[in-house]
Amino acid sequence: DQQVKQNSPSLSVQEGRISILNCDYTNSMFDYFLWYKKYPAEGPTFLISISSIKDKNEDGRFTVFLNKSAKHLSLHIVPSQPGDSAVYFCAASYNNDMRFGAGTRLTVKP
Amino acid sequence: ETGVTQSPTHLIKTRGQQVTLRCSSQSGHNTVSWYQQALGQGPQFIFQYYREEENGRGNFPPRFSGLQFPNYSSELNVNALELDDSALYLCASSLGLGQVYNEQFFGPGTRLTVL
Repeated sequence: DQQVKQNSPSLSVQEGRISILNCDYTNSMFDYFLWYKKYPAEGPTFLISISSIKDKNEDGRFTVFLNKSAKHLSLHIVPSQPGDSAVYFCAASYNNDMRFGAGTRLTVKP
Repeated sequence: ETGVTQSPTHLIKTRGQQVTLRCSSQSGHNTVSWYQQALGQGPQFIFQYYREEENGRGNFPPRFSGLQFPNYSSELNVNALELDDSALYLCASSLGLGQVYNEQFFGPGTRLTVL
């Protein structure tokens, strides 16, 4: 069962603009959410996380927003850079169980 | 500091065969988790080992088994391979019990193809 969904398989943005990646989940028990970035031929790399007690977490150009009532989280990248081009996975966890979305391929054009 | 390494990089097997995949965890890490990533999907948790003991398992059949050694490296064994086992297998190491997610470092994966 797909408890974590990333409905956009791909996203293309211009360098310098904002990238918004979205993720929806169905299990209200999830209490910790993460974003990973994956380059080809490499494993996923942790990017940013947020606990369910918060609605926003910021780290440099990356901000994650959590809307618990809508069971939705998003990752904002501002400004986007060509080096941000990668596949982004959202993940949600509860009690030693972590579920990943299928990923969104972000392409940032110079 | 050595990162997480996996071997082999690629592997081709036929249905019914058995396969062993290997993972060397990052220096100082005592926990290893294994994931299966099928094409077009996100990683799915298989199981986790902490100090040589299995500590949590996802929804995978018993023909998926593992080992962790005293140096904290790990093996994933899959018996009676099926076509649907074709996937990228990722291992991730961390320090401590449970899935310490933001301290979890992934290897590059082993691409298994079952014909």
